[in-house]
Amino acid sequence: QVQLVESGGGVVQPGRSLRLSCAASGFIFSNYGMHWVRQAPGKGLEWVAVISYDGGKTYFADSVKGRFTISRDNSRNTLDLQMNSLRTEDTAVYYCARDQNPFGDFYFDSWGQGTLVTVSS
Amino acid sequence: QSVLTQPPSASGTPGQRVTISCSGSSSNVGSNTINWYQQFPGTAPKLLIHTNDQRPSGVPDRFSGSKSGTSASLAISGLQSEDEADYYCAAWDGSLNGWVFGGGTKVIVL
Repeated sequence: QVQLVESGGGVVQPGRSLRLSCAASGFIFSNYGMHWVRQAPGKGLEWVAVISYDGGKTYFADSVKGRFTISRDNSRNTLDLQMNSLRTEDTAVYYCARDQNPFGDFYFDSWGQGTLVTVSS
Repeated sequence: QSVLTQPPSASGTPGQRVTISCSGSSSNVGSNTINWYQQFPGTAPKLLIHTNDQRPSGVPDRFSGSKSGTSASLAISGLQSEDEADYYCAAWDGSLNGWVFGGGTKVIVL
């Protein structure tokens, strides 16, 4: 069955960087668009970024544009989120999610369990 | 402030029908399909309805979705205590070139 396992979360100071990873299994990873979605404590869901099946297209939320990059390694079935210049408002649980479509514009049909990122001095 | 507007809460007694609205604009709900997600406290969201009104396998048929113009709705018929959760609508926004979510609606079973 589809499994998505995030890792890399932790406590980081404002202005520093952190890299999240998502290990995918149970499906042909290279066929699907992939997303990062976050949820601040006690708040709603916020989409962060999407990458197409081949890594050729990426889109970002305005709140992270220029600071975050999304990448994938289809040979290792992994999705990454490089987060730079972190702010306190980036504190959230970060979920990776699979899109039903190779280009990431259909719907999120599977989600990981999330990894918590806390940005604090 | 979320791009898609949902009521913060909705409630009903067991067996009742509850409806959650999701209002957007021509660049998101008006021109793309709507998806709904269910989330229980401390757990990851789960796909509930996709492509406006399609239920993935395993989702009870008491959940239904609809869309008209720039608004969409999720209905829960025959409300059950285990339906108490947060519900989010989402759509692709062609102007933002990204996905947008509603702020979420907490369903309370009285």
